[in-house]
Amino acid sequence: GEDVEQSLFLSVREGDSSVINCTYTDSSSTYLYWYKQEPGAGLQLLTYIFSNMDMKQDQRLTVLLNKKDKHLSLRIADTQTGDSAIYFCAEKSGGGSQGNLIFGKGTKLSVKP
Amino acid sequence: GAVVSQHPSRVICKSGTSVKIECRSLDFQATTMFWYRQFPKQSLMLMATSNEGSKATYEQGVEKDKFLINHASLTLSTLTVTSAHPEDSSFYICSARDRGTYYNEQFFGPGTRLTVL
Repeated sequence: GEDVEQSLFLSVREGDSSVINCTYTDSSSTYLYWYKQEPGAGLQLLTYIFSNMDMKQDQRLTVLLNKKDKHLSLRIADTQTGDSAIYFCAEKSGGGSQGNLIFGKGTKLSVKP
Repeated sequence: GAVVSQHPSRVICKSGTSVKIECRSLDFQATTMFWYRQFPKQSLMLMATSNEGSKATYEQGVEKDKFLINHASLTLSTLTVTSAHPEDSSFYICSARDRGTYYNEQFFGPGTRLTVL
């Protein structure tokens, strides 16, 4: 079945770049997503990438996709304390537009001042 | 952007009682809503997919008689935890798919923390 793997923890200093990595298994995924969850809150979509793209940049966020290796990464430039949260990688299972999201376990990002 | 609300945000109930959680899409129509459960320090587990006007599709291992889902309109889905027990204590999150976006984004509610005593 589909599976999404992420490292569980990442700690960086304020101002450094953070890189969160994710691997997935469903080669038919059309979209891949990064969500942010702050304590006690729901999930906020940060960014997404279509499977035929290699890279997408949105302000401080850069998403890299290696479709051959099924590897997705999220880079946060100039990480701030407000970026401390859990980041979930997700793929849309199956092809087409109606698939469900499969989430990784989440990477807890801690930003030290 | 699209907003999804959940009510209540936190509920504490006694074992054996039933609890209803509402999920509303505030500024868009959601033909499909999803209910997730999240245990501490774990990922989201999809419980069921709810389509407006039809029966919900439950994931394997989720008891449909215990977790009743109703999706009566394009903006409202409810999850009722019947005869709740302490093991049902969890963080329940709903999401709604905005059929207007080409990438079929799901917008998530803020979650409901259920504690069963």
